[in-house]
Amino acid sequence: AQSVTQLGSHVSVSEGALVLLRCNYSSSVPPYLFWYVQYPNQGLQLLLKYTSAATLVKGINGFEAEFKKSETSFHLTKPSAHMSDAAEYFCAVRYSGGSNYKLTFGKGTLLTVNP
Amino acid sequence: GAGVSQSPRYKVAKRGQDVALRCDPISGHVSLFWYQQALGQGPEFLTYFQNEAQLDKSGLPSDRFFAERPEGSVSTLKIQRTQQEDSAVYLCASSLARDRSTNQPQHFGDGTRLSIL
Repeated sequence: AQSVTQLGSHVSVSEGALVLLRCNYSSSVPPYLFWYVQYPNQGLQLLLKYTSAATLVKGINGFEAEFKKSETSFHLTKPSAHMSDAAEYFCAVRYSGGSNYKLTFGKGTLLTVNP
Repeated sequence: GAGVSQSPRYKVAKRGQDVALRCDPISGHVSLFWYQQALGQGPEFLTYFQNEAQLDKSGLPSDRFFAERPEGSVSTLKIQRTQQEDSAVYLCASSLARDRSTNQPQHFGDGTRLSIL
């Protein structure tokens, strides 16, 4: 079955440090890729999406992600963490094929930012 | 409103009761999705509508779950004879796209947190 794996259910960084959240997908055909952020008691907000136009995708709030086909990865990074980045982050994919409208999510990574 | 609106935000019900959850998508959005998010997990697909047509209900856990979108706008997710394992956050999302080949993002509401006692 096709799946999305987020390595690390919890990542803790210091304010100002690099943020790296990992996402790997299982597919021989590159899917559509998304990163969403979820703040407590809220829905999911789109951070960025992979459009196949460029392998490095820039999103909101200073986040970016790099698509690496050879590694089937789409890791999310931010050069300098801010306290307001503390939230849960979900990687999601839409696969090609008959049911390519549905999103398949990873289990999420909780990011905490220490002062 | 500008975003996807869900109501109620919180719902507590006793086991065996029926519940109805409402989703008001972004105006003009053709596609509407329901997801179930268990505690500590990512959202999981339940069902998909294109306008009023329910094109995929493969994710509905049992025949106690029923969704409708009669006029192609507002949608209701109904759960009959609720059980404790139904406790979760139910998220609704809408998308402008009708075309499956696009990568139009899905816009999510804040969800309904359902607790079954």
